[in-house]
Amino acid sequence: SYELTQPLSVSVALGQTARITCGGNNIGNKNVHWYQQKPGQAPVLVIYRDSNRPSGIPERFSGSNSGNTATLTISRAQAGDEADYYCQVWDSSVVFGGGTKLTVL
Amino acid sequence: QITLKESGPTLVKPTQTLTLTCTFSGFSLSTSGVGVGWIRQPPGKALEWLALIYWDDDKRYSPSLKSRLTITKDTSKNQVVLTMTNMDPVDTATYYCAHFSTVTTYDYWGQGTLVTVSS
Repeated sequence: SYELTQPLSVSVALGQTARITCGGNNIGNKNVHWYQQKPGQAPVLVIYRDSNRPSGIPERFSGSNSGNTATLTISRAQAGDEADYYCQVWDSSVVFGGGTKLTVL
Repeated sequence: QITLKESGPTLVKPTQTLTLTCTFSGFSLSTSGVGVGWIRQPPGKALEWLALIYWDDDKRYSPSLKSRLTITKDTSKNQVVLTMTNMDPVDTATYYCAHFSTVTTYDYWGQGTLVTVSS
């Protein structure tokens, strides 16, 4: 079965740029979606199909996907961006990554 | 606007069958390209996809749980039902239903419902 690998945690200084990676075999050939989940809340879609932002998601959130790695980039990180982030693809079934906890210092 | 809400028991005993209902508004499950899926999350752990039903009644299941899951829809009631048989304590989790679009994937989620499996 297809596996997605995410770092357990990423830290970023307030106002700086955070990058969260999602690794998978030839993931560049798949559509990658990203979700943000804050404690006690349901996930929120922040990026779909590699680099598209749903309405209401700040432009600070962007995504890219190539080769074996997809990346969620959060520019000018804010305290409110602290959350768990999950990548997701479709490979005969829906697959989620293990999640990355983003800490804003 | 699109909203979804999960309902069902908060506590089930081992070996019992869990039945969860997702009641939604703001869209029709007869619209091409639309679906409703179920995803769960054990306490402190990652998201795990369970099942998806499409507008045309096509159904997809997690390979590892397929033998235990059934997903159905009632378009007239705007509801999707998930049943999971032979529940075990490891199935303790928050269960979410979510609106699915072939364009934007799981773009709207319910608030989730915590199901505890214990005798």
